[in-house]
Amino acid sequence: QVQLQESGPGLVKPSETLSLTCTVSGGSMSDFYWAWIRQPPGKEMEWIGYVSYTGTSKYKSSLKSRVTMSIDTSKNQFSLRLTSVTAADTALYYCARVPLTHDDSGTYGDAFDVWGQGTVVTVSS
Amino acid sequence: SYELTQPPSVSVSPGQTATITCSGDKLRDKYASWYQKRPGQSPVLVIYQDFKRPSGIPERFSGSNSGNTATLTISGTQAMDEADYFCQAWDSSTLFVFGPGTTVTVL
Repeated sequence: QVQLQESGPGLVKPSETLSLTCTVSGGSMSDFYWAWIRQPPGKEMEWIGYVSYTGTSKYKSSLKSRVTMSIDTSKNQFSLRLTSVTAADTALYYCARVPLTHDDSGTYGDAFDVWGQGTVVTVSS
Repeated sequence: SYELTQPPSVSVSPGQTATITCSGDKLRDKYASWYQKRPGQSPVLVIYQDFKRPSGIPERFSGSNSGNTATLTISGTQAMDEADYFCQAWDSSTLFVFGPGTTVTVL
């Protein structure tokens, strides 16, 4: 059974860079997208972006200028970097798996079928 | 930006049917997914691509998507179904958007 585990600092100073890693165990990274999602306190879930097993990525447009995602399939890990953080980036951060559909429309992923337990990141000086 | 709305709460008696709605402009043109989230646990996908159930999800969970509304139905609701449920929409241009969630209480 595939499991995901987030790791990284729980406290980041304003204007610095938030870095998180998600370790995948119990399954292959191939033929999936690997996503980051966050939930600020009292707010709804927000998709941040995903990276494919081939290394291509797509980000939420409003975060695109600050986000970089990468993947290392040899280590079964993928990562999130979010630069110039502010208090608005304080949230519970999840990593998640996106299964792919291959059909006449092309290849796409439209849901998150496995989630990590989440890690709280607080932005504060 | 695209927005989804859900009722804040739904109450249901054990054994009865719980209906949770998710509304958004032309939601029928997007895929809708539903997640169950219990306190302190990670979200669990219960419905994807409008009506499909992942392996291991009980048959009492069903979904539909028509017009501007996607619906999650829990038939024969059990006490263990008490949780937050949130919807998520996808299409190739909007990508992923989440609803605010609905708390289901089994009275």
